[in-house]
Amino acid sequence: AQKVTQAQTEISVVEKEDVTLDCVYETRDTTYYLFWYKQPPSGELVFLIRRNSFDEQNEISGRYSWNFQKSTSSFNFTITASQVVDSAVYFCALTPYGAAGNKLTFGGGTRVLVKP
Amino acid sequence: GAVVSQHPSWVICKSGTSVKIECRSLDFQATTMFWYRQFPKQSLMLMATSNEGSKATYEQGVEKDKFLINHASLTLSTLTVTSAHPEDSSFYICSARTEGGINQPQHFGDGTRLSIL
Repeated sequence: AQKVTQAQTEISVVEKEDVTLDCVYETRDTTYYLFWYKQPPSGELVFLIRRNSFDEQNEISGRYSWNFQKSTSSFNFTITASQVVDSAVYFCALTPYGAAGNKLTFGGGTRVLVKP
Repeated sequence: GAVVSQHPSWVICKSGTSVKIECRSLDFQATTMFWYRQFPKQSLMLMATSNEGSKATYEQGVEKDKFLINHASLTLSTLTVTSAHPEDSSFYICSARTEGGINQPQHFGDGTRLSIL
């Protein structure tokens, strides 16, 4: 069974502050994919990143960065210099690699509120 | 690229009505589409996997007679909530996997807010 835990249900920051979202996962699969999605108030899910389990390099994309630590089963997400437009719910998700790669298991989500 | 369109975006109807939601891949063919359900302030839960030309695979606890899924073409999957009741009110989101294999990421539609009175 797979499980994704996002312990922080809500984070409130002031604009320009950095914010880190935690994601811890459980899986019996040796290879898998991890994802982060953003869900703004309008409801659509916006794909942010996909990382496979055999690539532990951290990644930076603009103000976003991701820290994958396989040893601790964590895939944390940091927004640097947050902006009001970053206010949204962020979901971490997991799927097995290979023939069972259909199912996305989502974490509970972290609501980020960036105040001006 | 990889745009998924859902229709309608919002529907309000009376209890006992059946409601059909469409999910279309606009610029790619999707042999596999997925239907998720999201209650307010909760996460997304996979309801079923829709495969073009075959029966959908439902997750445990999802009533297949209640939530009818049809994937008649490579660009369209529909979810019909039959005899809807207030407890079926939720946000329904579909996704489609792009071509190139089973490890391609899913791209999501904008969702449908269903309110049953």
